Amino acid sequence: DSGVTQTPKHLITATGQRVTLRCSPRSGDLSVYWYQQSLDQGLQFLIQYYNGEERAKGNILERFSAQQFPDLHSELNLSSLELGDSALYFCASSVVQGAFGTGELFFGEGSRLTVL
Amino acid sequence: AQSVTQPDIHITVSEGASLELRCNYSYGATPYLFWYVQSPGQGLQLLLKYFSGDTLVQGIKGFEAEFKRSQSSFNLRKPSVHWSDAAEYFCAVVPNSGGYQKVTFGTGTKLQVIP
Repeated sequence: DSGVTQTPKHLITATGQRVTLRCSPRSGDLSVYWYQQSLDQGLQFLIQYYNGEERAKGNILERFSAQQFPDLHSELNLSSLELGDSALYFCASSVVQGAFGTGELFFGEGSRLTVL
Repeated sequence: AQSVTQPDIHITVSEGASLELRCNYSYGATPYLFWYVQSPGQGLQLLLKYFSGDTLVQGIKGFEAEFKRSQSSFNLRKPSVHWSDAAEYFCAVVPNSGGYQKVTFGTGTKLQVIP
């Protein structure tokens, strides 16, 4: 158990819909990362938050957005869903040493999104 | 450009045989180096990490990795593979340059273990 909690574990929805994925980081971790993993794209970094502020953006679509709340949990919102958005979405939190951490990540078990 | 490469997409080994998974990086200075494992249906789990010091690092589950500066490599090894080691293995790097540290993952190597 990594200490990172993601909900829901599985989600099936239709094209055009909107979903919200939730992540609770390990106790004490201030950084939250979101990754998308699909068969054809591999593990893609989406976005990172540090203590409530966006820190870095990766290959995140404009239809996707995220935020980190004062209690440090994070939500990833996916809207106008397309078939190609079907993937595993992972949240990770990082050990903090100073403001930027060491890059050592602790992953949740993921949320599997299926868009039909 | 900074990059991390795992040249082997798939590797098949017999149970009890030794294993070496390759990872090469291209960075200006030695980055922080990691190996993660992803079992089917699971998230990624940290196996081991290298920040500095001894170039041979021990990890969990009997894995070790050796950092070779001259070859810009950080290969993962295990002397005797168990069937439960079947998984996907990811090498990851983080620039050791201060400031924001972006984690870059390799494309992964899928390990199949045969009896």
